[in-house]
Amino acid sequence: LAKTTQPISMDSYEGQEVNITCSHNNIATNDYITWYQQFPSQGPRFIIQGYKTKVTNEVASLFIPADRKSSTLSLPRVSLSDTAVYYCLVGDNPVNGGSQGNLIFGKGTKLSVKP
Amino acid sequence: DTAVSQTPKYLVTQMGNDKSIKCEQNLGHDTMYWYKQDSKKFLKIMFSYNNKELIINETVPNRFSPKSPDKAHLNLHINSLELGDSAVYFCASSQIGGRNTIYFGEGSWLTVV
Repeated sequence: LAKTTQPISMDSYEGQEVNITCSHNNIATNDYITWYQQFPSQGPRFIIQGYKTKVTNEVASLFIPADRKSSTLSLPRVSLSDTAVYYCLVGDNPVNGGSQGNLIFGKGTKLSVKP
Repeated sequence: DTAVSQTPKYLVTQMGNDKSIKCEQNLGHDTMYWYKQDSKKFLKIMFSYNNKELIINETVPNRFSPKSPDKAHLNLHINSLELGDSAVYFCASSQIGGRNTIYFGEGSWLTVV
């Protein structure tokens, strides 16, 4: 099971770019990286997922170096509404013989965006 | 349309009571889950069902009993409620044949007094 480590909290101001890094030193060959966002009083919501290099969608970008031992979630020009907890999960689909790492949520990173 | 819906959203009950939380997903997913998020905000998986079959059963007291009448429903029944059961319970689902992206419900806030 690939263990993930991310900062407990981060502060930012509106309009800034925020980068949250997740360490996963023992990531397996078939593991992929998934990030979720959780607002207060809501369930987590999928943000982005990737295997290597860079993935971008309308919400965020995910940067994964060649060794895949870490990944960085990048949120461009954050607003107050981006204040949330962000979780990094690493694993493969159990049906593919993978671990359950992509079901295990760590403590996440609490991002606070200030005006 | 709510993809994963759970009821009730709020539940206050006394110790020793038995209660159920219902969950339904309209995403056509094969797999459903129950997660518990405690006061410290740790989100822990409790159970997972794939096509009505239990595939994950973490260390959860046997007072908790999931029931899946069909693959679109996964209900959670809790017997003899204790103070420590107070938490937010999230139902979720995913398509296990794919990348297993998990879709969560809005949560059920359980308070045991």
